[in-house]
Amino acid sequence: SQKIEQNSEALNIQEGKTATLTCNYTNYSPAYLQWYRQDPGRGPVFLLLIRENEKEKRKERLKVTFDTTLKQSLFHVTASQPADSATYLCAFPPGGKLIFGQGTELSVKP
Amino acid sequence: DAMVIQNPRYQVTQFGKPVTLSCSQTLNHNVMYWYQQKSSQAPKLLFHYYDKDFNNEADTPDNFQSRRPNTSFCFLDIRSPGLGDTAMYLCATSREKGGPSESYEQYFGPGTRLTVT
Repeated sequence: SQKIEQNSEALNIQEGKTATLTCNYTNYSPAYLQWYRQDPGRGPVFLLLIRENEKEKRKERLKVTFDTTLKQSLFHVTASQPADSATYLCAFPPGGKLIFGQGTELSVKP
Repeated sequence: DAMVIQNPRYQVTQFGKPVTLSCSQTLNHNVMYWYQQKSSQAPKLLFHYYDKDFNNEADTPDNFQSRRPNTSFCFLDIRSPGLGDTAMYLCATSREKGGPSESYEQYFGPGTRLTVT
């Protein structure tokens, strides 16, 4: 069955550094991936979508890459700030519905 | 502002006592979804409506039902909650139903945290 996996360990980084989060998928070749941010006790908020024919997508300090050979998407937060602290979820669409990864918690220390 | 609203934000119910969670949207989106999210886990899709067309996930327990009386409202009914149903329940909408090659971002409400005692 299709699976999507994110690093379950929390990522702790210093303010100003770049955070890199990983999303791996198996048994599927998605045409796109979506990334969401979720704050504690809140619903996820859409951030970015990247299609299989796009190697890289940027939005302000966020950058997403999509490597269909490695079956992996990387999510980068550059010049990180404490306000970037949250859980980041990737999602992909087998059959048109979204399946979410369990998320990686990012903590940015001042 | 257009948004997705969920009520109540917190709900405590007793084992076996029916409970209803509600969701409303001002986005006028065609698709509404219900997800269950347990602590430190991925949101798990329970079912979705495309307009009035109901789509149940194969592994959603029969204990969970849903109603969508109109475009704006959707309800999640848990007929006999068990302790394992303690979770955050998330309602989401999207403008259209995505396909393998088409994507529509989903807009989530703040969630209802349900505790079954």
